[in-house]
Amino acid sequence: GAVVSQHPSWVICKSGTSVKIECRSLDFQATTMFWYRQFPKQSLMLMATSNEGSKATYEQGVEKDKFLINHASLTLSTLTVTSAHPEDSSFYICSARGDRGGGYEQYFGPGTRLTVT
Amino acid sequence: ELKVEQNPLFLSMQEGKNYTIYCNYSTTSDRLYWYRQDPGKSLESLFVLLSNGAVKQEGRLMASLDTKARLSTLHITAAVHDLSATYFCAVDNSGSARQLTFGSGTQLTVLP
Repeated sequence: GAVVSQHPSWVICKSGTSVKIECRSLDFQATTMFWYRQFPKQSLMLMATSNEGSKATYEQGVEKDKFLINHASLTLSTLTVTSAHPEDSSFYICSARGDRGGGYEQYFGPGTRLTVT
Repeated sequence: ELKVEQNPLFLSMQEGKNYTIYCNYSTTSDRLYWYRQDPGKSLESLFVLLSNGAVKQEGRLMASLDTKARLSTLHITAAVHDLSATYFCAVDNSGSARQLTFGSGTQLTVLP
């Protein structure tokens, strides 16, 4: 299957600092990327949708000034958690969709576990 | 707003038994996905169902889709311990961005 990578796989940061997470599609061009957040024992919740070269669309309740998304190229999207707080601790998963598999399937990255102390 | 309901939320079953996980959704959609998630890991794609009546099988798992009833099932045949995981269904919202709405997940434990 298609490969989507995320970096870092886990990160610990102090409250008030910012953290950047990268999502890359390694073997296809991703016209659309999605960012999800998953708290323990819960389902995935969509945070935002981004298309290459345009501003991300955020889901209701997700602060766009806190979760900065940049989809600068067809293979890279970044999520920056600004002024992180302990309640931002979660498992962040990206997915990508593009010119692969009929163009309808989302391919998921391995996730980034963020812990804010 | 698309809502996806999955049941049961928890399923504990003996090895060798059969069981079915159900996924109901609230609005019309023509694409439904099943994923597996192991603890601490991301999602693994199991099945992509693209049309009414679609049935797909892989090993001990079989998924089906009834778009008229807005229902998908994931049937487990002769469960083995390796199937223990959390299973999610996700429904495409048919919008321009083709976003997915996930069910709550079914945590499956297969006991020896």
